[in-house]
Amino acid sequence: SQQGEEDPQALSIQEGENATMNCSYKTSINNLQWYRQNSGRGLVHLILIRSNEREKHSGRLRVTLDTSKKSSSLLITASRAADTASYFCATALMDSNYQLIWGAGTKLIIKP
Amino acid sequence: DTAVSQTPKYLVTQMGNDKSIKCEQNLGHDTMYWYKQDSKKFLKIMFSYNNKELIINETVPNRFSPKSPDKAHLNLHINSLELGDSAVYFCASSPLTGVREKLFFGSGTQLSVL
Repeated sequence: SQQGEEDPQALSIQEGENATMNCSYKTSINNLQWYRQNSGRGLVHLILIRSNEREKHSGRLRVTLDTSKKSSSLLITASRAADTASYFCATALMDSNYQLIWGAGTKLIIKP
Repeated sequence: DTAVSQTPKYLVTQMGNDKSIKCEQNLGHDTMYWYKQDSKKFLKIMFSYNNKELIINETVPNRFSPKSPDKAHLNLHINSLELGDSAVYFCASSPLTGVREKLFFGSGTQLSVL
């Protein structure tokens, strides 16, 4: 299966700073989703952005989608120690009702 | 009142054994999944069931057999466990047919095969 790619693989910033993670994909999508995974836990859905949307907000999260570049970014503003986690993007392909293609994740560490 | 619950959380067993992981969701979702997360954190879908019907069956050894007694349960049985089966296995569900909407994940089962 094709994979999404995230960068950076790891990101370490000071509490209060903004964190930006990027996701690139290869084929046309129906939507793109971002998830958070805390250490030893399951994944938690953060935001879903559809292919006809360019930007979405949820609290301190902002997601952008550029379908011409086949890329998305997740911005976390005013980071907190509790934001320390791995963040994954997943793409729902246009030609499949059931497949989500996952990236390898970005490990975010917020230093107090 | 956990939405997607899977048991056990940890499973340590010897090579060659047979083991099962159970999953239940109380969200009323029609679609359930099993994912495998390897040591590099990469998530790979194994199976998907929609209303007890197998929809996705990725390239997974025959030793892995999912069973869905009803749409709220999707169990995973593994025969003749191998070292390479060591991973974290996640159950998930989604509210609509297919994965066009968000997934709800269980907290995972860490399987260690010795």
